[in-house]
Amino acid sequence: AQTVTQSQPEMSVQEAETVTLSCTYDTSESNYYLFWYKQPPSRQMILVIRQEAYKQQNATENRFSVNFQKAAKSFSLKISDSQLGDTAMYFCAFMGLYNNNDMRFGAGTRLTVKP
Amino acid sequence: NAGVMQNPRHLVRRRGQEARLRCSPMKGHSHVYWYRQLPEEGLKFMVYLQKENIIDESGMPKERFSAEFPKEGPSILRIQQVVRGDSAAYFCASSPGQGLDTQYFGPGTRLTVL
Repeated sequence: AQTVTQSQPEMSVQEAETVTLSCTYDTSESNYYLFWYKQPPSRQMILVIRQEAYKQQNATENRFSVNFQKAAKSFSLKISDSQLGDTAMYFCAFMGLYNNNDMRFGAGTRLTVKP
Repeated sequence: NAGVMQNPRHLVRRRGQEARLRCSPMKGHSHVYWYRQLPEEGLKFMVYLQKENIIDESGMPKERFSAEFPKEGPSILRIQQVVRGDSAAYFCASSPGQGLDTQYFGPGTRLTVL
């Protein structure tokens, strides 16, 4: 069974600095998607970034980028030039090719950006 | 293109009552997923539906919970005889098709059982 682990329950960063959120996962599948979702206090789930496992190039979206290490089953999120609006819960999620009905989420990391 | 719509955003029920949560997928999306989020936890998959069909309900409690996605209208998650442990945020997501595809989430319904 696929599991997703986020080992950092809480993190904080100063505004304009860079922070990295960790995520590891366990799967026997070779083709899958990985996601980072952001959940601000409004509790809306917002897609931040997506990575296809068959792509070696790390995904980037403006200030957000990932470090995808397939062999290590690691999928960290780097937020550059942190902004106050980045304060939120961040969830790492896994979707497998053979069981793509069931997206597995980590427990989340609460990120606080300090002015 | 409107996003995934859920209503109500907040729902309060007394123990033993029924809760009905509605989800309208994004335009052009025919696949709907329901997730539950308990306080301070990640989302847990409940059920996956296509129009008029339940495809996977492996995450749904066997009793009191049911879901439908009729040919016309929104998807409905129904919880009968609610208990305090049902208090949670319930999220709906939609995708255009099956397979590896991004799921887009609605704003969620926060259910509080008194």
